[in-house]
Parts: sequence; C-alpha cells; structure tokens
Amino acid sequence: EPEVTQTPSHQVTQMGQEVILRCVPISNHLYFYWYRQILGQKVEFLVSFYNNEISEKSEIFDDQFSVERPDGSNFTLKIRSTKLEDSAMYFCASSVSEQYFGPGTRLTVT
Amino acid sequence: AQSVTQLGSHVSVSEGALVLLRCNYSSSVPPYLFWYVQYPNQGLQLLLKYTSAATLVKGINGFEAEFKKSETSFHLTKPSAHMSDAAEYFCAVSVANDYKLSFGAGTTVTVRA
Repeated sequence: EPEVTQTPSHQVTQMGQEVILRCVPISNHLYFYWYRQILGQKVEFLVSFYNNEISEKSEIFDDQFSVERPDGSNFTLKIRSTKLEDSAMYFCASSVSEQYFGPGTRLTVT
Repeated sequence: AQSVTQLGSHVSVSEGALVLLRCNYSSSVPPYLFWYVQYPNQGLQLLLKYTSAATLVKGINGFEAEFKKSETSFHLTKPSAHMSDAAEYFCAVSVANDYKLSFGAGTTVTVRA
C-alpha cells in the first residue's frame, strides 16, 4: 500500500541553525500539508500546498518557514533559523480525497 | 473557525469491553469529520470519515462513529476492545476533504487484559 515517507525520523539541531525536513508524498496525490505537534499539545496545521504554491498557511508559518516541491516527488519544509520553541514532531500529509500522514520527524532544538 | 473537543485524555478499557471515545465539534459550515489513530512511533492513520452522507460511518478495525448534528458530536465506538486497539485517537474537523484539519487533543486508549 502506498505511504507517505519522511526523513529523517529524528533531527537534533542547535538554535539558529537551518533545518530541512523531507517528505515523499503518495505519487498521485495533489495536495500536500505540514502539521506539527509540540509535546503534550494538539496537532496543528502549518501549511497546505497545491499546484506548486502555498494554498493556505497558519499564523505559525511565519517568514522563518518555507516549503518547496523541488523535483516533483519530494516535499520539503525548511526552518531558516530554528528556535527552542520549534521543537516538535512534524508531520507531512498528502491527499487526493482524504489526508494520509507520514510517520513524522521529531525535531529537537537545543 | 472550526474546532473539536475530545472529552477524556485517557480511557482505559478491559479487553472485550466497549470502547467509546467522545468528540464534539464546532463549525459554522457543514463539517467533514475524521477519526485518526496513532500507534507508537507511527504516523496518523485514518480510521473513518463523515462527509455528509450516512450519519453512521463504519471504519477500519471494527470502529464506527455516528454524526449527531443536534448534539454536535461524532463519537467513536467499538463493541469489543482488542489489545491491538491500544493507541492514541484523534478527532478532526474540516470544511472539505482536501482542506486543513483541526485536531482535538487526542485520547490515549489502554486495554487491560
């Protein structure tokens, strides 16, 4: 069964560093999303992406964040200068009708 | 704005007993409602969804949920719990299939032998 994959599974970075989280959506899906879950809190929507552009973003998704679909298969989330409060589990999802989620990347900012 | 509230952050049931997880939603438009399950170290897996067709929705692994507009609820049930049902369960609401999801806080289910 097709699935969404994410790499790495765990990333540790120092405050102020740039990180790129990678996702490979399901191949025939058209919509792509990033969500995050800070430990002990709800899963929160960050951004949705369709037809090679951002279709919606939350107030969390500020100028430090960017998304890209560089090669037609990968979907990346870049955090330009990480802060301690960016530590969370980041989930990628893709959909053609309902959303399928990847296993997540745990980002730890020290 | 849309939101969901899951009542009970932790539910413990005996194997073979009824599982009931509560979800109430708030939406200014007809909602699309979803239940997802997360097993340890895995992603969110869709259990079932309501998209304005039948109010009783059957999902995978023997789960079902009933949409009650009058109560703004979408509770998840399973008649007989199995050890493999131990996981975290999330209720979510949206305005469409491909639109952003707003999640509840999640309910952790433990199953006692």
